[in-house]
Amino acid sequence: DAGVIQSPRHEVTEMGQEVTLRCKPISGHDYLFWYRQTMMRGLELLIYFNNNVPIDDSGMPEDRFSAKMPNASFSTLKIQPSEPRDSAVYFCASRPPEQGQFFGPGTRLTVL
Amino acid sequence: AQSVTQLDSQVPVFEEAPVELRCNYSSSVSVYLFWYVQYPNQGLQLLLKYLSGSTLVKGINGFEAEFNKSQTSFHLRKPSVHISDTAEYFCAVTPYSSASKIIFGSGTRLSIRP
Repeated sequence: DAGVIQSPRHEVTEMGQEVTLRCKPISGHDYLFWYRQTMMRGLELLIYFNNNVPIDDSGMPEDRFSAKMPNASFSTLKIQPSEPRDSAVYFCASRPPEQGQFFGPGTRLTVL
Repeated sequence: AQSVTQLDSQVPVFEEAPVELRCNYSSSVSVYLFWYVQYPNQGLQLLLKYLSGSTLVKGINGFEAEFNKSQTSFHLRKPSVHISDTAEYFCAVTPYSSASKIIFGSGTRLSIRP
C-alpha cells in the first residue's frame, strides 16, 4: 500500500495565483481530511469528507479556499487567489471505518 | 468541547535514557486517545491509540502510553530512547459523539542528545 499520496510536495507561487493541491487517499478509507500546519497556529483542520461528501468545512479560513472530492480516490484543495499568509504545509489524511488517521507527506506551499 | 494540553513544548533527553511526554485532555464526553509522531519534513504517523479495554497501550518503536481517566491524562513513555526518536509528538483526542473530528495538542519536540 502506497499510503496517502499528495502532490506536489513543494509549491512556490506568487501572490494572486491559483494553487491546487491534490490528494489520493488510501483505498477503502471512507474519510478524508485536509489540514494546515504552521509554526504559529500548529495543526488546523480545514475540512473533512465522508464518502466524498463534505461534512464539516468550518475550518476553511476564507472563501478563497475550496475543496472537492469528485470520487473516492481523489480530492483537491484550491486557493484562489493565494496570499503570502497562506504559506504553510498542507496535509491530507484518510481514515478507515476504525479510528486512526493516516497522513500524507504534505505539500509545502510558499506564496511570495 | 474538547481540548488537549501538552505541557512541555520541548524535551531534551540523552540517548538511552527514559522519557515521558505528558498529555492531559479536557472533555465532557468520552473520547478516544491517540499519539502521533512527526519526523522532520514528513507527515504525522500514528504511534498508538486507546479505544477501550486495557489502559496500558503499546505502540510502535517501543513506545507505550497509559490512559488515566481520573487524571484525564494519556502520557507517552519509552524506557530507552534512540537518536532516531528525534521528532515532534502530538497527543490527540476524538469524542465518541463526533468520531471523525480529531483535536490535536500543540506538540512536544523530543530532541535526543548523544
